[in-house]
Amino acid sequence: GAGVSQSPSNKVTEKGKDVELRCDPISGHTALYWYRQSLGQGLEFLIYFQGNSAPDKSGLPSDRFSAERTGGSVSTLTIQRTQQEDSAVYLCASSRVLTSSYEQYFGPGTRLTVT
Amino acid sequence: AQSVAQPEDQVKVAEGNPLTVKCTYSVSGNPYLFWYVQYPNRGLQFLLKYITGDNLVKGSYGFEAEFNKSQTSFHLKKPSALVSDSALYFCAVRDIGFGGGYNKLIFGAGTRLAVHP
Repeated sequence: GAGVSQSPSNKVTEKGKDVELRCDPISGHTALYWYRQSLGQGLEFLIYFQGNSAPDKSGLPSDRFSAERTGGSVSTLTIQRTQQEDSAVYLCASSRVLTSSYEQYFGPGTRLTVT
Repeated sequence: AQSVAQPEDQVKVAEGNPLTVKCTYSVSGNPYLFWYVQYPNRGLQFLLKYITGDNLVKGSYGFEAEFNKSQTSFHLKKPSALVSDSALYFCAVRDIGFGGGYNKLIFGAGTRLAVHP
């Protein structure tokens, strides 16, 4: 079946501009996660959506970052007034929740470069 | 707070030799542990997990990991390394968070495995 897809695969933007990153989770997966991977760094949790529950936004680094998930499926991560330190690979993952699986399935990521 | 540590930034092994990538964890309660692999310019791929049961867990591509509760470790192993195993490996633990359905993962910093011919 189809895996997690993300678009665009690469995005170059000028400092100060807004960007939107999109994630399409695996069909039937109710949980969706955004992570950030900076050069040479591990994965930094950003935000977690689970069904209709309030999202866990505890990992968002500033109020310039926001995310939404429409219809329990597609998610958009928005970064306003981008800064150079926002340059990273943004990874989306999805998982089933009400099973004993727990593993997350990752998309290929969006590489964001802020110039 | 839950955490994982990967003490080695890089591991180098010769093809055909056994490999070990180390991971230690700190959790309250029973740990749910995972290994993921990231090939260049790719997303993360799930390798294996420990939830409960047998301490030796077998996963994809011939990898296995041993859960050791007394040493709070979950080292990744493979009996015979291949050049194609060269990649970035991440250990992760499930965060307890709130509610039984909470599945946020906390990742280690990653270990780069280099297998040379």
